Amino acid sequence: DAKTTQPPSMDCAEGRAANLPCNHSTISGNEYVYWYRQIHSQGPQYIIHGLKNNETNEMASLIITEDRKSSTLILPHATLRDTAVYYCIVRVAEAGNMLTFGGGTRLMVKP
Amino acid sequence: NAGVTQTPKFQVLKTGQSMTLQCAQDMNHEYMSWYRQDPGMGLRLIHYSVGAGITDQGEVPNGYNVSRSTTEDFPLRLLSAAPSQTSVYFCASSSPGAPPEAFFGQGTRLTVV
Repeated sequence: DAKTTQPPSMDCAEGRAANLPCNHSTISGNEYVYWYRQIHSQGPQYIIHGLKNNETNEMASLIITEDRKSSTLILPHATLRDTAVYYCIVRVAEAGNMLTFGGGTRLMVKP
Repeated sequence: NAGVTQTPKFQVLKTGQSMTLQCAQDMNHEYMSWYRQDPGMGLRLIHYSVGAGITDQGEVPNGYNVSRSTTEDFPLRLLSAAPSQTSVYFCASSSPGAPPEAFFGQGTRLTVV
């Protein structure tokens, strides 16, 4: 799996958009970008994934650059409940749930 | 559906004791895996299975055994507990295909004294 680089921590005001960046400059053509989050030592929770097109679901949006070397997870209206560690993971589809977690970004949403 | 269920939630062991962490899923997922998470760090893969009867080692397998006799269950055995195995353990499951999302249990917090 390609290595990812994320800032260790970020702050965001409640109600504002949270933009979490991830660099994955060595990503291969068949590797997907996944985002998971972990709230207060609970089990990680899947958020969204993408290959090369931008994706949106009820939780977040994922913007992948055209060269696929970086991506941004967007939480459009952050709430206090979004305070968590966010993990960006790149992997091939065949890897199943064999995920390589880095340090992630600790997002603190403040009132 | 209960999803992925781990038991126990908390456990204290003495050095040298053995025990089994239980993991069960009711989603008929073929893939299951075990991770450990040390304080302030990301999860690391211990063992994984791509189906009943098939298991393989992950990044940190030493000191742990697994077996997969059914699709639903994937127990993790600590053979002789050591203080270095104090950690939070997570079990995950997913379906094969492109691309599957993983579902995680709520974790077992293990302390070895």
